[in-house]
Amino acid sequence: AAGVIQSPRHLIKEKRETATLKCYPIPRHDTVYWYQQGPGQDPQFLISFYEKMQSDKGSIPDRFSAQQFSDYHSELNMSSLELGDSALYFCASSPRTSGVSTDTQYFGPGTRLTVL
Amino acid sequence: DAKTTQPTSMDCAEGRAANLPCNHSTISGNEYVYWYRQIHSQGPQYIIHGLKNNETNEMASLIITEDRKSSTLILPHATLRDTAVYYCIVSPPSYGGSQGNLIFGKGTKLSVKP
Repeated sequence: AAGVIQSPRHLIKEKRETATLKCYPIPRHDTVYWYQQGPGQDPQFLISFYEKMQSDKGSIPDRFSAQQFSDYHSELNMSSLELGDSALYFCASSPRTSGVSTDTQYFGPGTRLTVL
Repeated sequence: DAKTTQPTSMDCAEGRAANLPCNHSTISGNEYVYWYRQIHSQGPQYIIHGLKNNETNEMASLIITEDRKSSTLILPHATLRDTAVYYCIVSPPSYGGSQGNLIFGKGTKLSVKP
């Protein structure tokens, strides 16, 4: 079965540079979530999108922005990178729902960002 | 903040059942209990979820106490590949496509040993 695709899988940047992470959800999934997992930490929710609109916002720094496109893929843009941004970034997707839903989230393999 | 409490770590012998407890004493009436696991640096993987009835699927069983203040995830025949961090998460159902985010707590590091 198709899974969530994230690219790139590994990324190395210098401080103050910018980075763009991409997420391609499972087909027919229209909700995308972004999570950040620092070294030795648990995943922390950053932001989510439903039908190309931001639906929820977590602990996402102002230096980060994200959007969801018409084909439902999403991009996380990170500017003025800091050493502390080094982390695994996971994207997850869940399917279209109507009414009440307990649909689960399906996670991608993650992008490992290293800021030097 | 996470609304669950789990042991930091547990060991289990290969082939035996692994029973992972979770306390969620402040759970609300409409909140579900979800279990995810994360195998070293991979993306978290959904295991099972439930509201108040016990649930079973091909991966695991979920036992929720009658007062819903705690639950136990059961892996009936643990294998070495089940070594992972297991997260118990409580979350309300989503409405009209506005899906809720997952709040991960510390989780339980399960080590399955030969």
